[in-house]
Amino acid sequence: GAVVSQHPSWVICKSGTSVKIECRSLDFQATTMFWYRQFPKQSLMLMATSNEGSKATYEQGVEKDKFLINHASLTLSTLTVTSAHPEDSSFYICSAVGDRLYGYTFGSGTRLTVV
Amino acid sequence: KNEVEQSPQNLTAQEGEFITINCSYSVGISALHWLQQHPGGGIVSLFMLSSGKKKHGRLIATINIQEKHSSLHITASHPRDSAVYICAVRSSYNTDKLIFGTGTRLQVFP
Repeated sequence: GAVVSQHPSWVICKSGTSVKIECRSLDFQATTMFWYRQFPKQSLMLMATSNEGSKATYEQGVEKDKFLINHASLTLSTLTVTSAHPEDSSFYICSAVGDRLYGYTFGSGTRLTVV
Repeated sequence: KNEVEQSPQNLTAQEGEFITINCSYSVGISALHWLQQHPGGGIVSLFMLSSGKKKHGRLIATINIQEKHSSLHITASHPRDSAVYICAVRSSYNTDKLIFGTGTRLQVFP
């Protein structure tokens, strides 16, 4: 079946630094990838939609200069949290859509802690 | 009011019990998904439905398009079924974005 690999699974960083999270589709080409943020005991909140080779579309209220998304190939999308602050601490998860017959495949998520 | 509502929010069961989780939505959809999120955070897609009923092992998902309602059933529940179950719909008008329910937290005790 379709697999999406997300790395790292957890990361701790200092305030002011940047963190990059990778999402790779291992056995299919992902035409569209989604990035979500999840707070404890809450549902997923869509941050942005990225299509290969084009700029990401950000949801209202999401700072595009803070959360940089790159979808350079059909198998890789990256989310970079720039100048991280403690309030950016959260669980980030990606999902990918290739062949719509198979629906969505989710990464395993990244727990970011900014100290 | 959320576009996707789930009930119950929390559910506890004894091993072996039959479990039902409900999902109602208020928008036109092209597909409905049932997802499972384990405590570690990873999400697994259980079903994608656009009509009728699907079965996979002990899991059964049904959808009634006219009533805008779907159910997820777990037969012979087991402690390893403990997870958060999330209903999500793909709108008819936006073919890719998912609208998520708030999830149902299930705990199955031995």
